Amino acid sequence: DGGITQSPKYLFRKEGQNVTLSCEQNLNHDAMYWYRQDPGQGLRLIYYSQIVNDFQKGDIAEGYSVSREKKESFPLTVTSAQKNPTAFYLCASAMAGGDRNTEAFFGQGTRLTVV
Amino acid sequence: AQSVSQHNHHVILSEAASLELGCNYSYGGTVNLFWYVQYPGQHLQLLLKYFSGDPLVKGIKGFEAEFIKSKFSFNLRKPSVQWSDTAEYFCAVNAAGYNKLIFGAGTRLAVHP
Repeated sequence: DGGITQSPKYLFRKEGQNVTLSCEQNLNHDAMYWYRQDPGQGLRLIYYSQIVNDFQKGDIAEGYSVSREKKESFPLTVTSAQKNPTAFYLCASAMAGGDRNTEAFFGQGTRLTVV
Repeated sequence: AQSVSQHNHHVILSEAASLELGCNYSYGGTVNLFWYVQYPGQHLQLLLKYFSGDPLVKGIKGFEAEFIKSKFSFNLRKPSVQWSDTAEYFCAVNAAGYNKLIFGAGTRLAVHP
């Protein structure tokens, strides 16, 4: 099946530990995104990438890092510098066509709880 | 930088009532506009999108939205809601040249039978 796979669905970590969330897509999309979803705040953009080996900070990049070594993979690391890491994290991908992207397709998300 | 505002955070309606959810964006150039829906326990899915052409776009499940460029708005409408429309609705904008997709804070809709 074509789609976006995020793993794991639930993740628990101790405070002060780095943790990496996985996102894989087999849609051959150029663009990939990471969002954080908190109640009442919608989806806030953490990082996005338009092509392999390139990525840009979104609106809330502090305390996060990403890599884009392969077109199909865009892992997100939540570092110990992120002050409030407990949240629901969503990965998305989209075709990148010139100045415009097409609609984004979303994974099912990873709920991270830091204790 | 672009931003998206959704005016209503919570909306409660009875079945068969009409729905209009407001969405305004801030960006002076060419934009792509989207409405996404998140049903309880499910992942986000696209309701409808506007890229160019007819400013009145129709989506799935009887939803439609109208792009009014002069008002920087892209309001979502449905003439008669059903209990199954209970969900959270997100407006999103992708501005040409910025290459990033920005979402509003969402509107949580509850439809009572």
